[in-house]
Amino acid sequence: ILNVEQSPQSLHVQEGDSTNFTCSFPSSNFYALHWYRWETAKSPEALFVMTLNGDEKKKGRISATLNTKEGYSYLYIKGSQPEDSATYLCAFIQGAQKLVFGQGTRLTINP
Amino acid sequence: DTGVSQNPRHKITKRGQNVTFRCDPISEHNRLYWYRQTLGQGPEFLTYFQNEAQLEKSRLLSDRFSAERPKGSFSTLEIQRTEQGDSAMYLCASSLEAGMGGYGYTFGSGTRLTVV
Repeated sequence: ILNVEQSPQSLHVQEGDSTNFTCSFPSSNFYALHWYRWETAKSPEALFVMTLNGDEKKKGRISATLNTKEGYSYLYIKGSQPEDSATYLCAFIQGAQKLVFGQGTRLTINP
Repeated sequence: DTGVSQNPRHKITKRGQNVTFRCDPISEHNRLYWYRQTLGQGPEFLTYFQNEAQLEKSRLLSDRFSAERPKGSFSTLEIQRTEQGDSAMYLCASSLEAGMGGYGYTFGSGTRLTVV
């Protein structure tokens, strides 16, 4: 059974501040790690697909890093804006099968 | 192609009734996945298809749940004799192979099931 753990479960951040959260996953037989953003009443949207140890990916103010040897990934948001409010999901693929999701980090940006 | 489409968006049913949901994936995607999400939890894997073949079904899924993907196109998820514990958001996603190639999974908007 795969366990993908995300922390914190929820987070309130002041507009303009930067923030980060963590995803931990089993380090054996690694295939890929995905980050998704899920806004209320919308579909989960893929942010990053990461496959290599040491990967760093960036999309605008959002970036992510990956450490497959120790089994963790960080997601960073720089200069938070109200539109960043969403649930951020981390998901892990082991052995080229299916995504196993963490419980998500619910981010609220306070204006 | 307008992405992954799920119908209906909402379904309210009485306990004991059968329900069926439909998912239309992105046409070029050969993999199709069903997930279930309850409040405060991440999406939980139910089953997935590669083309028309159902490759894996979660052990958490009882025999009341069945899914099909005839001809490797759209998929249906049926729940027989619904129970209140089946109330959840049912998400469908599609991908090319295992979600590699930098694109991840494309999700539909989900079907929210309420069993009363």
